[in-house]
Amino acid sequence: QVQLQESGPGLVKPSETLSLICTVSGDSISNYYWSWIRQPPGKGLESIGYIYYSGSTNYNPSLKSRVTISVDTSKNQISLKLRSVTAADTAVYYCAKRDGGGSSSPYSWFDPWGQGILVTVSS
Amino acid sequence: DIQMTQSPSSLSASVGDRVTITCRSSQRISSFLNWYQQKPGKAPKLLIYASSRLQSGVPSRFSGSGSGTDFTLTIRSLQVEDFATYYCQQSYNNPPTFGQGTKLGIK
Repeated sequence: QVQLQESGPGLVKPSETLSLICTVSGDSISNYYWSWIRQPPGKGLESIGYIYYSGSTNYNPSLKSRVTISVDTSKNQISLKLRSVTAADTAVYYCAKRDGGGSSSPYSWFDPWGQGILVTVSS
Repeated sequence: DIQMTQSPSSLSASVGDRVTITCRSSQRISSFLNWYQQKPGKAPKLLIYASSRLQSGVPSRFSGSGSGTDFTLTIRSLQVEDFATYYCQQSYNNPPTFGQGTKLGIK
């Protein structure tokens, strides 16, 4: 079955760029949508955005000015870059498969999820 | 963004109990509502999609219902492994948004 694994630095300095990679195993990332979702410690879930394997993206407007999600089909990986981070960006970052319909389809859900990676923003 | 509000925020129940969690959206979302279970230190797990469709492998004691703005997740005959936090999520509009969570604890 499909498995997702996030990787990257666990500590990022304020004003710098957070960079994470999600490696997908058990299936090709082609023909699917892939998402990033985050969860501040002790808080709820926030969608960051998602990408189709072809490269088309959809970002949460609240983060759009600072986020880039990209895909590397040769490595079966999805990446996340979040620029100009502050302490408010401290969170567990998850990648997840966005299953169901296409980009504009409301028939969608997140499954499966990676185990998540805690990223702390601190000097 | 569509706001999702869950109630209660927390509740205590006993093994064998029937539990209902409610999720309300700030605008009508048809049946585009999903439910997830999250245990401490773990990623969320999909339970129900499209309001009432049980994800493969999820026990049948879980069920979902609702459309429009009001939705429920029901757990029939609680098991020890069901004590967790539950989140609803709307997929009607971008960005997808989640409820604040309902923490289900042992009485």
